[in-house]
Amino acid sequence: DTVLTQSPALAVSPGERVTISCRASESVSTLMHWYQQKPGQQPTLLIYLASNLESGVPARFSGSGSGTDFTLTIDPVEADDTATYYCQQSWNDPWTFGGGTKLELK
Amino acid sequence: EVQLVESGGGLVQPGRSMKLSCAASGFTFNNYDMAWVCQAPKKGLEWVATISYDGSSTYYRDSVKGRFTISRDNAKSTLYLQMDSLRSEDTATYYCALMDSGLNWFAYWGQGTLVTVSS
Repeated sequence: DTVLTQSPALAVSPGERVTISCRASESVSTLMHWYQQKPGQQPTLLIYLASNLESGVPARFSGSGSGTDFTLTIDPVEADDTATYYCQQSWNDPWTFGGGTKLELK
Repeated sequence: EVQLVESGGGLVQPGRSMKLSCAASGFTFNNYDMAWVCQAPKKGLEWVATISYDGSSTYYRDSVKGRFTISRDNAKSTLYLQMDSLRSEDTATYYCALMDSGLNWFAYWGQGTLVTVSS
């Protein structure tokens, strides 16, 4: 299976820029997607195909990368962005998720 | 507005069965592939199964092959997950998800239903 590795946690101050990384154990082309999960809620789609912003998602969110290295950027971070962020690949079967990065606001 | 509402979760003994349902509304159900994704308590997300828009094709992760069956009733706009021979490691919240393209990302998610496998 394709393993997606994310840093477990990050802490930033409101107004700062944060980058969340996701590294794949093998190439996934650009078939990488990002989700936000707030405590006690279901995940919601933020970014699809590495860099496409889902409708209704604030432009503060952006994605980049291809192959094995991907990044989700939030600039500027707001208090409401406290959540766990997951990457997911759909290039290789089975589709897999990263372990999640928990973003905390200082 | 897309709505996905799961039901059918609860406490079940190991080795027994359970059937989850997901009632869909706000979109043309029979135009979209659908999936189940699970999340063990305090853990990450794991894709479980996918069914094509017309029900003709199904896909499963290895750990549930032969035990879980995904199905759909397009007339009722409802997705199902039949779970047999349940194990303690199947304990998780199960989310129903709409797949918005053939490139397989999960565009919308239900609120989830918790399945606890324990004696």
